Amino acid sequence: NAGVTQTPKFQVLKTGQSMTLQCAQDMNHEYMSWYRQDPGMGLRLIHYSVGAGITDQGEVPNGYNVSRSTTEDFPLRLLSAAPSQTSVYFCASSSLTGPYNEQFFGPGTRLTVL
Amino acid sequence: GNSVTQMEGPVTLSEEAFLTINCTYTATGYPSLFWYVQYPGEGLQLLLKATKADDKGSNKGFEATYRKETTSFHLEKGSVQVSDSAVYFCALRRVSGGYNKLIFGAGTRLAVHP
Repeated sequence: NAGVTQTPKFQVLKTGQSMTLQCAQDMNHEYMSWYRQDPGMGLRLIHYSVGAGITDQGEVPNGYNVSRSTTEDFPLRLLSAAPSQTSVYFCASSSLTGPYNEQFFGPGTRLTVL
Repeated sequence: GNSVTQMEGPVTLSEEAFLTINCTYTATGYPSLFWYVQYPGEGLQLLLKATKADDKGSNKGFEATYRKETTSFHLEKGSVQVSDSAVYFCALRRVSGGYNKLIFGAGTRLAVHP
């Protein structure tokens, strides 16, 4: 049981380049989400999904796209990277049933946009 | 709106010292409250939680009590260890709408020295 996995761990992009951050979970969780972590700002929700084929925007969705074709995978796409997207990105998943819905986080992807 | 405010860090303590990290929140209704911990180079892990007023969450020697009258959820530990060095995030789970949207505070870095 690997939990939530993310690739790559580190990435450096030039402004305007595109890339996809991968996220996968093996816990059969319905809910998956992407956060970015910036100094002094905690974690902010980018996009989330409550099941395959269903996605919605969080607090800071601009510049990012997502899709959810399977329960396991929830990739985050940057179509044209900007320096403001330099951040650490975390993927999380949780069950939608149960009283507490604990979110499980991946180890993060550190992205630098030059 | 909903928000979480944490004391600014870093907090630097000697081993076996008493720890308090303050957290206050603003929310409508009765949110669930959480403390997450992030060890260096890792993702966030749930440390403890409380779902209603006067609940006390506890784990690994850490405690926090849900105080509705002061809208607070301060984290405490009686005797910290070097291994407790990490970043601690207070968070609330929104009551209305949006399934499992967590709202995080900015995080407080704790450094414990031998």
